[in-house]
Amino acid sequence: KNEVEQSPQNLTAQEGEFITINCSYSVGISALHWLQQHPGGGIVSLFMLSSGKKKHGRLIATINIQEKHSSLHITASHPRDSAVYICAVINSGGSNYKLTFGKGTLLTVNP
Amino acid sequence: KAGVTQTPRYLIKTRGQQVTLSCSPISGHRSVSWYQQTPGQGLQFLFEYFSETQRNKGNFPGRFSGRQFSNSRSEMNVSTLELGDSALYLCASSRIGGAQPQHFGDGTRLSIL
Repeated sequence: KNEVEQSPQNLTAQEGEFITINCSYSVGISALHWLQQHPGGGIVSLFMLSSGKKKHGRLIATINIQEKHSSLHITASHPRDSAVYICAVINSGGSNYKLTFGKGTLLTVNP
Repeated sequence: KAGVTQTPRYLIKTRGQQVTLSCSPISGHRSVSWYQQTPGQGLQFLFEYFSETQRNKGNFPGRFSGRQFSNSRSEMNVSTLELGDSALYLCASSRIGGAQPQHFGDGTRLSIL
């Protein structure tokens, strides 16, 4: 079993729908990242969370440390949100950390 | 402000050769991390350099090495290339490094024939 599991692997939505992508992990962590990767490879760091909830525009990320679970929500989805969304967990603070990635969720938003 | 620049964008090599990839971080960023991305394994952390010193390292064989120069530019070298080294290699930079949010380059796509 992978240390970081994402679901679903693939998600197709219609423009305007509310999207949820889930990330579960099996190790103790100090923080969690959500990344967005567009076709062609470029990656953008969306959020870093260690507790609670963060919001940026139409994107909301939450984390429940006790349940070892994080969610990424997209409100009023748009075709430009189509990308692979990757969660990554950090299991230690400081410079000697271990960074483990999920396999990603491919989101396609149709107009 | 210029982003993270990786060169070359595409590279084709044959088994047994070696390759050097380059990464220029955002001005003022002292940390550079390298990642390998493959369809099977996804993203995997290779190593992080900060102020010319390797500060953290993932679980890759010694064929994978790197260095960082005084201007924070970094190079990654892979020796004795294997077919399984075909991947997208990404670098990312940040001011203080560690596990802080990073700015990613567009990657170098390496194909091994």
